[in-house]
Amino acid sequence: GAVVSQHPSRVICKSGTSVKIECRSLDFQATTMFWYRQFPKQSLMLMATSNEGSKATYEQGVEKDKFLINHASLTLSTLTVSSAHPEDSSFYICSARGPGPGTEAFFGQGTRLTVV
Amino acid sequence: QQPVQSPQAVILREGEDAVINCSSSKALYSVHWYRQKHGEAPVFLMILLKGGEQKGHEKISASFNEKKQQSSLYLTASQLSYSGTYFCGTLRGGSQGNLIFGKGTKLSVKP
Repeated sequence: GAVVSQHPSRVICKSGTSVKIECRSLDFQATTMFWYRQFPKQSLMLMATSNEGSKATYEQGVEKDKFLINHASLTLSTLTVSSAHPEDSSFYICSARGPGPGTEAFFGQGTRLTVV
Repeated sequence: QQPVQSPQAVILREGEDAVINCSSSKALYSVHWYRQKHGEAPVFLMILLKGGEQKGHEKISASFNEKKQQSSLYLTASQLSYSGTYFCGTLRGGSQGNLIFGKGTKLSVKP
C-alpha cells in the first residue's frame, strides 16, 4: 500500500506552547488529507479535512484557530496545535487519499501528544 | 452519521471464526475496513465499492449489502495476529466525502 509518513511520533510540550505535526504522502499525490484525534480506547474522531491549495474544513466543535491545518502541496499537510492545554493530549493521526472516487485512505503512524 | 458497529468486543480462541457488522442510517457509497493494534495507526484492510461486492484478504473477507446499508467483515480460522480493534469507515457527503469511522470492535484472539 501507499506510504504516509507522520512526524513526530511522540512529543511532549508545556502548556501554552505550540506544536506542529507533519503528514507527508511519500509515493502518491494526496489530494485530500484528513486529521483525526483518538482518545484512549475510543474511535477515530475526524477533526478536519483539507484539500491541496484550499482552506481546511473543520468538524463541528473543533476550533479552527487552535488546530490550524495547512495543506500547502499535494504531498504535505501540517497540523499546528496552538496554546496547547493538557486536555489536548491525545493521539493525532493523519490520513491521505488520492484523487478519484472510491480510493482508499492511508494512515500515518500517528503522533502521541502529551501536554504538561 | 457515524456507522454503527457490532459487537463492541469479541473474544476468540485461535482457529475460531468471527463476524463484525457495520451499518448506517444513510446511503453507503463505499465501506472501508481497517484494523488498529494498540498504540499504532490503523492499517487498511479493504474497501468495498458496490452493493453485492465481496472481497477477501487471506482469511479475512467482507461483503457489502447496499440495500440494507450494511457491511460485514468475516474472520475465518482466526490467528493471534488478528487481535486488534476493527473499524469500519463510511463516506459522508458522496464518493469523495469525509471518511467517518464507527466506534470499533475489539477482537481478542487467545491461544
